[in-house]
Amino acid sequence: GAGVSQSPSNKVTEKGKDVELRCDPISGHTALYWYRQSLGQGLEFLIYFQGNSAPDKSGLPSDRFSAERTGGSVSTLTIQRTQQEDSAVYLCASSVSPGLYEQYFGPGTRLTVT
Amino acid sequence: GENVEQHPSTLSVQEGDSAVIKCTYSDSASNYFPWYKQELGKGPQLIIDIRSNVGEKKDQRIAVTLNKTAKHFSLHITETQPEDSAVYFCAASITDGLTFGKGTHLIIQP
Repeated sequence: GAGVSQSPSNKVTEKGKDVELRCDPISGHTALYWYRQSLGQGLEFLIYFQGNSAPDKSGLPSDRFSAERTGGSVSTLTIQRTQQEDSAVYLCASSVSPGLYEQYFGPGTRLTVT
Repeated sequence: GENVEQHPSTLSVQEGDSAVIKCTYSDSASNYFPWYKQELGKGPQLIIDIRSNVGEKKDQRIAVTLNKTAKHFSLHITETQPEDSAVYFCAASITDGLTFGKGTHLIIQP
């Protein structure tokens, strides 16, 4: 079946602009995760959603980062007033349920802030 | 929070030989340990995982071992092939997001 999809695949933006990244999880998966992958920091957890519960935002690096998940499915990660250090690959993953279940990753969105 | 250390950062082996990647974790409450393979330009792909109630798991040429007392786990790849060349990540989790190691770049020499 269809895997996790993300859009856009690449995004170039100017410093100070806002960007929105989209994730479509695997159908039926209740848990959705956002991660960031950069050369200096490796793979970092940002935020996760489980069903209709309040998201775990413990990994968000600053208040410029926010995320929503509408109807328990599609999620958008928004970065306001982008900075050059925000340049990274943003990965989305989903799983049947949080915890002891496999997380399946999408291909990622490569964000470049100029 | 959880901290995962992964070694080595680069591993070069001859085709057909075995490769071993080791990870340690800090939080004894972690109970799920997946391994991911990432090829250039793609997202990480789960290759094997182990839960804390199991000491070893094998899937064809890939095996993972877990020592909860020592808080370390390892990935073993036998009879390595050129298509095994990639970056491998270990991770640990309790109930929320995964904490990843820094990755191991595995190079298979022909």
